[in-house]
Amino acid sequence: DAKTTQPPSMDCAEGRAANLPCNHSTISGNEYVYWYRQIHSQGPQYIIHGLKNNETNEMASLIITEDRKSSTLILPHATLRDTAVYYCIVRVPSGYSTLTFGKGTMLLVSP
Amino acid sequence: NAGVTQTPKFQVLKTGQSMTLQCAQDMNHNSMYWYRQDPGMGLRLIYYSASEGTTDKGEVPNGYNVSRLNKREFSLRLESAAPSQTSVYFCASSELGAGGFGYGYTFGSGTRLTVV
Repeated sequence: DAKTTQPPSMDCAEGRAANLPCNHSTISGNEYVYWYRQIHSQGPQYIIHGLKNNETNEMASLIITEDRKSSTLILPHATLRDTAVYYCIVRVPSGYSTLTFGKGTMLLVSP
Repeated sequence: NAGVTQTPKFQVLKTGQSMTLQCAQDMNHNSMYWYRQDPGMGLRLIYYSASEGTTDKGEVPNGYNVSRLNKREFSLRLESAAPSQTSVYFCASSELGAGGFGYGYTFGSGTRLTVV
């Protein structure tokens, strides 16, 4: 699996957009980008995933650069409940193996 | 609510004691997993069950056993607990094996286990 790099922490004001970056410069052609988050003391929660096109769902948008070496998760209107650790994962969507989350980005949404 | 249910939520064991962590899902998923999460580390796969009747080792299976009781239930057993097994344990399920790790890959809320 390609290695990812994320900032350790970010702050965001409630109601503003939160833009969480992820670098994955060694991504290969068949690897997808997945985003999960983990709110304190809860299990990880799937947010969104994509291969090369931008994606949007009810939770977030995912912007993947044309060279696929980086991506940005966008929470359009952050709320206090979005405070969590956000993980960017890059892997081929097959096989059974460790879901390596790494350290992720701690997003703190403040009033 | 639909999802993955784990019991118990908290447990303290003495070294050498045994216990079984229970997991059940009501989404009719084929595949189920057990992970552990230690402070400052990612999730590590202990065992998985691709489908009812099959189980396989993950990255860190030593000291654990599993049983896929039926399509809904997947239990994790610690035969002789050790302090190194102090961790948060997560059960997960998915629709199509591990494919995608996306929608349909659902985690339970975790079991916090302390071995003293």
